[in-house]
Amino acid sequence: ETGVTQTPRHLVMGMTNKKSLKCEQHLGHNAMYWYKQSAKKPLELMFVYSLEERVENNSVPSRFSPECPNSSHLFLHLHTLQPEDSALYLCASSQDRDSYNEQFFGPGTRLTVL
Amino acid sequence: QKEVEQNSGPLSVPEGAIASLNCTYSDRGSQSFFWYRQYSGKSPELIMFIYSNGDKEDGRFTAQLNKASQYVSLLIRDSQPSDSATYLCAVNDRNFNKFYFGSGTKLNVKP
Repeated sequence: ETGVTQTPRHLVMGMTNKKSLKCEQHLGHNAMYWYKQSAKKPLELMFVYSLEERVENNSVPSRFSPECPNSSHLFLHLHTLQPEDSALYLCASSQDRDSYNEQFFGPGTRLTVL
Repeated sequence: QKEVEQNSGPLSVPEGAIASLNCTYSDRGSQSFFWYRQYSGKSPELIMFIYSNGDKEDGRFTAQLNKASQYVSLLIRDSQPSDSATYLCAVNDRNFNKFYFGSGTKLNVKP
């Protein structure tokens, strides 16, 4: 496996379900990110982890809960979501969390909340 | 006020022409600027980054930055149908804490 991988690629869940999104990077990077991409809206940065510590929480509702057990893995735990949470959730990584680092994106998880 | 603004398009250009994509940003202290390409149903991929005023060229792509005008652009020379995608402008804030993306400009290159 190379680059940034995400599973599952597609997820349909009810509002009462609990599910988790998984991201894994094979690039030796120190920073990982969760983004939300809704139709016709800019990418929204949700969470930033640097060296496994959360350094940014962009006013995201508590029904989204991130977890970074090590520098290669990032999870997004979902519970009691709303239909408006349906979107493409993208994971990205970069060498470090500084200005000039390129972010590499995973393929995304297409989430539908019924 | 949006942090990063782009014209949503679509911008249509004929094959072989120059495509010009524009982006403005609100934080005058922003330090670095990125252009990503996103094909439909795919994730963004970096095309170029720039952090000094002026032009930066890479193959058919040229990024132009004017910090005084808070303006960054991407020129694509000899446009190909395979360049048809949505182009996202991204800007890192002055404290390097946040990465703001524009909504993207959809480019159509017609054969």
